[in-house]
Amino acid sequence: AQSVAQPEDQVNVAEGNPLTVKCTYSVSGNPYLFWYVQYPNRGLQFLLKYITGDNLVKGSYGFEAEFNKSQTSFHLKKPSALVSDSALYFCAVRDMGARLSGGYNKLIFGAGTRLAVHP
Amino acid sequence: NAGVTQTPKFRILKIGQSMTLQCTQDMNHNYMYWYRQDPGMGLKLIYYSVGAGITDKGEVPNGYNVSRSTTEDFPLRLELAAPSQTSVYFCASTPWEGADTEAFFGQGTRLTVV
Repeated sequence: AQSVAQPEDQVNVAEGNPLTVKCTYSVSGNPYLFWYVQYPNRGLQFLLKYITGDNLVKGSYGFEAEFNKSQTSFHLKKPSALVSDSALYFCAVRDMGARLSGGYNKLIFGAGTRLAVHP
Repeated sequence: NAGVTQTPKFRILKIGQSMTLQCTQDMNHNYMYWYRQDPGMGLKLIYYSVGAGITDKGEVPNGYNVSRSTTEDFPLRLELAAPSQTSVYFCASTPWEGADTEAFFGQGTRLTVV
């Protein structure tokens, strides 16, 4: 079954330091991977995605993510964190092989990681 | 385009009452989803639909029902509200099969069952 794991409930970073939010996935076919951010009392907003091609993808607000097929990971990174980056971050996967087993290509989310950037 | 619109934004229900959470999108997306978000639990998929007339269960469908009579609308029905259904509910949509585009989310409905 397809799944997404975000092993850290919370990540604390000092402003100006690099940050990493971890994500691993399990799918039966090729993965389409996404990162979303949720600010307080708001819906989720798209940050970036990996579909194919370069393993390092760049997204909004200076974020980037590295796809690693051998480690089935898609970690979110930013070279220099800002206090305004403090939010809840979700990794998601769409399993493009689900149809082969009679299912649909659902979009599955991880549990989320709260990022706290301190001044 | 308004995107994905959810109503109401907030609602308090008594145990045993019923209600429908409305979701509509104007992007002509075929895939639509309902998620619930509980503190520390992330997003759990309740139901999803791959097109008008087609719905399927997600991870946590018990206590909910959905219908998809049109491409635009995907209402979520709670028949007998229970305290365990206190949560924030999000509706989302993505384009057709094989979509490599991102999902679009509504602003959410905060439901409290007392």
